[in-house]
Amino acid sequence: GIQVEQSPPDLILQEGANSTLRCNFSDSVNNLQWFHQNPWGQLINLFYIPSGTKQNGRLSATTVATERYSLLYISSSQTTDSGVYFCAVDPGGSEKLVFGKGMKLTVNP
Amino acid sequence: GAGVSQSPSNKVTEKGKDVELRCDPISGHTALYWYRQRLGQGLEFLIYFQGNSAPDKSGLPSDRFSAERTGESVSTLTIQRTQQEDSAVYLCASSLNPFVWLNAFFGQGTRLTVV
Repeated sequence: GIQVEQSPPDLILQEGANSTLRCNFSDSVNNLQWFHQNPWGQLINLFYIPSGTKQNGRLSATTVATERYSLLYISSSQTTDSGVYFCAVDPGGSEKLVFGKGMKLTVNP
Repeated sequence: GAGVSQSPSNKVTEKGKDVELRCDPISGHTALYWYRQRLGQGLEFLIYFQGNSAPDKSGLPSDRFSAERTGESVSTLTIQRTQQEDSAVYLCASSLNPFVWLNAFFGQGTRLTVV
């Protein structure tokens, strides 16, 4: 099946710093989403981004489908950005998302 | 309710016992998904429902796992003869329809510990 790899696996930042999270996938996909799982376990949709670039406040994401990767940018990080960020893809032909192992972000005050 | 509700939030059970996990999706959401998240891992797909039918059960790890959905609403995930490797957080999500993940919302999960 399709492989989804995220990097880096862990990241520690000081408040105010910027970061880039990367998601590589091994095959073409119909859909790609970024999720944030907060320290209480709640999964929140960040972006639905099968291709192109989207921005939402301090967050933006870019997917280059032809090269099979997506990037999530966090600017001016805040302590509330802490948690685990997941990339998930829909390889097509199924109604489910395949998740990467996640990237744990810790933003210190 | 306003969101996806799962119960119990935590469950500790002895090896060999059966457990039932419940998911109440957002009202009107036709698609419902169960995922499992082991400690430090990503989400592992278990099963998905469209209405009360389960077109895709491919993720169920063994025949000890089963799930049903009634009234196009509540779903129950049952694990029989639990094993220690079943310990994980079980997450439920629902969406208006299975082709629009943009609308998917996750519950808080049930943390299952098998001792």
